[in-house]
Amino acid sequence: ETGVTQSPTHLIKTRGQQVTLRCSSQSGHNTVSWYQQALGQGPQFIFQYYREEENGRGNFPPRFSGLQFPNYSSELNVNALELDDSALYLCASSLGSAVLAKNIQYFGAGTRLSVL
Amino acid sequence: AQKITQTQPGMFVQEKEAVTLDCTYDTSDQSYGLFWYKQPSSGEMIFLIYQGSYDEQNATEGRYSLNFQKARKSANLVISASQLGDSAMYFCAMRESYDKVIFGPGTSLSVIP
Repeated sequence: ETGVTQSPTHLIKTRGQQVTLRCSSQSGHNTVSWYQQALGQGPQFIFQYYREEENGRGNFPPRFSGLQFPNYSSELNVNALELDDSALYLCASSLGSAVLAKNIQYFGAGTRLSVL
Repeated sequence: AQKITQTQPGMFVQEKEAVTLDCTYDTSDQSYGLFWYKQPSSGEMIFLIYQGSYDEQNATEGRYSLNFQKARKSANLVISASQLGDSAMYFCAMRESYDKVIFGPGTSLSVIP
């Protein structure tokens, strides 16, 4: 077990609604990354937070936003949900954002979002 | 352009046999890291093994080893003595900068009793 917890585990929303997903990072980790994993595909990087600041973003529209709190937990917010947003959302925590240190990301079990 | 290629969508292996899962990558960076993760049906991504681009020796972690061929840009995962619990999706991933990790499409491994 990694110590990374995500809530909720499952969520059903309708198109146009807004959703907030939560992640508690592993103790001692100050970096949280969020990924979207569509069915049958590898995870796609959404963004990363390091010490409460966004520290990199993938190819996702602005309606995907996030926060990191002083205790390094994090939220992913998605506005104006679309059907294609249905996916497993994974959170990963790591220590530091040093370029290319041996910096392993540890993942939570994910939140499975269904948009109807 | 695809950065990580895993050409085997699905693999079968007999219990107690060894299996190799292929991964090739594309990068112009000199310094990068390569990872393998296991994803059971429960969804959690489980870290298996890491190889740094400057590491001269192939990484090993228990039954997992990484066959790193830098010139060929390949980082194949070898699982020895397969167990039924090894049945899962396996993802090869690479980190180039600021901790952004890029994943491949995955290989589904089924271990047959």
